[in-house]
Amino acid sequence: DQQVKQNSPSLSVQEGRISILNCDYTNSMFDYFLWYKKYPAEGPTFLISISSIKDKNEDGRFTVFLNKSAKHLSLHIVPSQPGDSAVYFCAAKLSAGGTSYGKLTFGQGTILTVHP
Amino acid sequence: EPEVTQTPSHQVTQMGQEVILRCVPISNHLYFYWYRQILGQKVEFLVSFYNNEISEKSEIFDDQFSVERPDGSNFTLKIRSTKLEDSAMYFCASSDRGRRGYTFGSGTRLTVV
Repeated sequence: DQQVKQNSPSLSVQEGRISILNCDYTNSMFDYFLWYKKYPAEGPTFLISISSIKDKNEDGRFTVFLNKSAKHLSLHIVPSQPGDSAVYFCAAKLSAGGTSYGKLTFGQGTILTVHP
Repeated sequence: EPEVTQTPSHQVTQMGQEVILRCVPISNHLYFYWYRQILGQKVEFLVSFYNNEISEKSEIFDDQFSVERPDGSNFTLKIRSTKLEDSAMYFCASSDRGRRGYTFGSGTRLTVV
């Protein structure tokens, strides 16, 4: 099941710079997308989401961009901080009205390392 | 901030034994889920539960698996006869009808030997 793919297993960024994490999906029926951050020995923590009716959503240092025609989304973190070092998962779902319940399909994750 | 609590954090069991993984979801949430992550692989959906019944399950969730909400607070995942390939991190999650994502617990690491 490769419906959601994160093709970069890892990303290394200098503190203060921008981190860009990418995600592609194949199921055009997905209409709600989420990013999660995960530290070792913890569960995924919700970061930010976007509905398919939007192309951008911003929350502090985190911005998610959605390109529906390309079936691509990206997470931008500006400025990156060492505490951002974690595994980042994108997830997608079929939803009714953009609500948060229902099955999530996850990507494989990208390990982000932010160097001081 | 409300949390989803999972116990135990680590469970070691012999192949063929039954295990019960426990979760206490956030109290005002209505939807409950189990996911698992085999080491080095994706987080995979197992089952969702709403209004005291399963609302959706994956092909992984076969007859060896069951879920229950025995009282108003706990949500359990039972594996009847564990196999080596059931070794994974099991995450419980809950959500309401809002626009935020689920809240996940910290997981139970199940090791089948």
